[in-house]
Amino acid sequence: QVQLQESGPGLVKPSQTLSLTCTVSSGSINSGGYYWSWIRQLPGKGLEWIGYIYYSGNTKYYNPSLRNRVTISVDAYNNQFSLELSSVTAADTAVYYCARSEGWFGPWGQGTLVTVSS
Amino acid sequence: DIQMTQSPSTLSASVGDRVTITCRASQSISSWLAWYQQKPGKAPKLLIYKASSLQSGVPSRFSGSGSGTEFTLTINSLQPDDFATYFCQQYNNYPYTFGQGTNLEIK
Repeated sequence: QVQLQESGPGLVKPSQTLSLTCTVSSGSINSGGYYWSWIRQLPGKGLEWIGYIYYSGNTKYYNPSLRNRVTISVDAYNNQFSLELSSVTAADTAVYYCARSEGWFGPWGQGTLVTVSS
Repeated sequence: DIQMTQSPSTLSASVGDRVTITCRASQSISSWLAWYQQKPGKAPKLLIYKASSLQSGVPSRFSGSGSGTEFTLTINSLQPDDFATYFCQQYNNYPYTFGQGTNLEIK
């Protein structure tokens, strides 16, 4: 069963760029023609899909609510994909998840809390 | 964006009960709907996709139904492990969107 694990700084200063990496294990990011997504959960609130990237990197979709600040990339050689979110504010404080996508999401990483604070 | 509205927001039930959670979409999403279970401090877990297809490994007491704009998640014979928050998610239109969640608590 493929497993995903997020990594990156847990604290980011306002106006800086949030950068996270998702490492895929027990399976290849290249196999199966899957999309690879980032999703976040704001404190005490619901889930927001940030966007996805196709395993080849040639197809991406970003949520319009974040589109001008988001970049998702894939590093198939290292079986990883990444998220960058620029110009962060306190409103971007959330638990960030990576997940494999087929429309639905599964499996998910365990999530990583990113706090935006000076 | 398609709005997903779940009801109720909180549901109190007892072990052994049968419960139903409803998810309504602001426009038709055919059968492109998934359900997830989330426990505190954990990632959501996929239960149902394509409105009624049970994810491998998920107990058969979970079932999903519906199409168009109205969907239900039913849990038969509630077990202690089932008390959690449940989310629906549509993947018919971009951006994919989630319901606000239903907290299933012990009565």
